[in-house]
Amino acid sequence: QLQLQESGPGLVMPSETLSLTCTVSGGSVRSSTYYWAWIRRPPGKGLEWIGDIYYTGIINYNPSLKSRATISVDTSKNHFSLKLSSVTAADTAVYYCASQTHLGFDYWGQGTLLTVSS
Amino acid sequence: DIVMTQSPDSLAVSLGERATINCKSSPNILHSCNYKNCLSWYQQKPGQPPRLLIYWTSTRESGVPDRFSGSGSGTDFTLTINNVQAEDVAVYYCQQFSTPPVFNFGQGTKLEIK
Repeated sequence: QLQLQESGPGLVMPSETLSLTCTVSGGSVRSSTYYWAWIRRPPGKGLEWIGDIYYTGIINYNPSLKSRATISVDTSKNHFSLKLSSVTAADTAVYYCASQTHLGFDYWGQGTLLTVSS
Repeated sequence: DIVMTQSPDSLAVSLGERATINCKSSPNILHSCNYKNCLSWYQQKPGQPPRLLIYWTSTRESGVPDRFSGSGSGTDFTLTINNVQAEDVAVYYCQQFSTPPVFNFGQGTKLEIK
C-alpha cells in the first residue's frame, strides 16, 4: 500500500519561495498507474488542486498558480517536489501530496502546515 | 473553467437520519469527460487528510460503508448518507475529474450531528 509523507520548513517569509517534498514508500514514482499531485487547504477554506506530475515529466498546473508553481520528480529518491515562488499570507495552508488516477486522489499524505509570515 | 458549487455549506442531521449533499457543475461535465461521469466525493475529518469515498459518480471506494451513495449526471450530483453515524461528522467535497489538466473541488459541506 502506498504511503506518502510531506516534508517542508513550516514557516516561510513573505516574497520567498516555499519548497516541499513528498516521499513515496510502498511503491514507485515511476509507476505507470499514477500521477503525483499537490493539493492545499487554506485555513477555513476548501481544497485547491495545485498541480500534478507524471514520472516521464508531464506536468499540469492549476492556472491560478501556474506562474508561481514548479513541480518536479526525482525517481532516484522516489520523491516529488513543489516550489511556490513569491509567497504571501494567502499561501498559508496545509499542503497535501497525493497519488492521482482517473478515479480520483486515492492515497494522501498526512499534510504539512506551511505558514507565510515575517 | 468548470466551477463546482456544493449545497448546503453545512447541515446538521440527527443520528440515524439521512444527509443529502448536492454538487452542481458549471458547465456540464458529462460531455468533456473521457470516462464515465467523472465526479468524485471525499470525506475529510478534522486533523486527517481527505479520503476518497466515491468515484465515477456512484462507485464506492473499497472499504466505504454502503450507507454512502452517489448519484447524478450532467450538471447535478448528490452524495447521500443513510443512517448517519457519529463517525460521519466531517467536511465532504465533490471533485470533477473531467477536464484534465485541471481538477476542481467544491467548496465543501460540513456535516454535524444535531
